[in-house]
Amino acid sequence: NAGVMQNPRHLVRRRGQEARLRCSPMKGHSHVYWYRQLPEEGLKFMVYLQKENIIDESGMPKERFSAEFPKEGPSILRIQQVVRGDSAAYFCASSPRGREDGVEAFFGQGTRLTVV
Amino acid sequence: LAKTTQPISMDSYEGQEVNITCSHNNIATNDYITWYQQFPSQGPRFIIQGYKTKVTNEVASLFIPADRKSSTLSLPRVSLSDTAVYYCLVGATGTASKLTFGTGTRLQVTL
Repeated sequence: NAGVMQNPRHLVRRRGQEARLRCSPMKGHSHVYWYRQLPEEGLKFMVYLQKENIIDESGMPKERFSAEFPKEGPSILRIQQVVRGDSAAYFCASSPRGREDGVEAFFGQGTRLTVV
Repeated sequence: LAKTTQPISMDSYEGQEVNITCSHNNIATNDYITWYQQFPSQGPRFIIQGYKTKVTNEVASLFIPADRKSSTLSLPRVSLSDTAVYYCLVGATGTASKLTFGTGTRLQVTL
């Protein structure tokens, strides 16, 4: 059973370009979480999705950022018109259900976005 | 969500037992306490989770006093490979909820 797969592992974009980060959850998992981690800092929650639904996007910046988790295919975190401050590691996690009763979440290896 | 406080960093020698304490004074009745480990350039990895008293698995032990306002992660006989950041999280159960990470404790193990 493969773990949470994120791609690409490293992504370089010029200012103003779009960045697309992909996350394939573990088999059987229908809940996906995205986090951002700046250097030397902890992980900051961005968004929580179920299949075709956004459950909690309280951590998403109001502009330029969007996320989806379609019925088929991976979850996508999209950042439009990237700026240098978007440079960070973006982690995706999945769980078989919505973390009820303390279900653990499994994290991917992350995508390191560098904006030049 | 209950806020957690843990030491920024700790140092240990290989072979010693390491105890990392986390404070969560406003923990709610249905909150669980979860610890994650993160190595550089990797995603966090679940270590252990508990509600009260003591929980032990093949990796660590988690001690939770009766008032549940703090918890202690105990790593027996650490090795160099245990050098990592350790996060204490407190989260509600019964509803779908996100994991809220603090800044964690950076553990450095040396010979």
